[in-house]
Amino acid sequence: EIVLTQYPATLSLSPGERATLSCRASQNVSSYLAWYQQKPGQAPRLLIYDASSRATGVPARFSGSGSGTDFTLTISSLEPEDFAVYYCQQRSFWLTFGGGTKVEIK
Amino acid sequence: QLQLQESGPGLVKPSETLSLTCSVSGGSISSSSHYWGWVRQPPGKGLEWIGSTYYSGITYYTPSLKSRVTISADTSKNQFFLKLSSVTAADTAVYYCARQDGWNYGPNYWGQGTLVTVSS
Repeated sequence: EIVLTQYPATLSLSPGERATLSCRASQNVSSYLAWYQQKPGQAPRLLIYDASSRATGVPARFSGSGSGTDFTLTISSLEPEDFAVYYCQQRSFWLTFGGGTKVEIK
Repeated sequence: QLQLQESGPGLVKPSETLSLTCSVSGGSISSSSHYWGWVRQPPGKGLEWIGSTYYSGITYYTPSLKSRVTISADTSKNQFFLKLSSVTAADTAVYYCARQDGWNYGPNYWGQGTLVTVSS
């Protein structure tokens, strides 16, 4: 099983600030990594697939990078609606999710 | 507009079988381009993929649950199903049905989720 470790567990930032979220895979997953946003009481929303491709309708302030074992989700300037939990997910070997990073208002 | 809706009992007794239905509208589960899957999320915890099915009957299950899970589909009703046997309190979770572009692709359309509690 490929384990995805996300850090930090919690990120405290203010609107307008840049957010950098990390995801590390226990084995090489190539570029087969996605990012999701989840707000309380809602289903997750696909943001990024294949490490750096934005899903339909996702604002340009969201960007993904990385390959192999280390990946980053960047939100260039936080909007009020961006405070949520973010999960990474790999599809290189079966399908697994990371434990999540909570982006909270400072 | 594709919509997925989970339905089923919200309370299941330990050792019994959890059964959920996902009804799909605005699209066909007979599509050759998509898989249909289930993901769960225990309260306050992260996401776990359970498994996925293709309209032809091909299925994939996460190894840790494979012995207890059955996912199937009824194309005539445009529905797919989840059965999880021998449940325990650890199976208490919000269960989501979802559409995937491949069996191991992350879902790009999700249902709203339904909470299933395992308790006597």
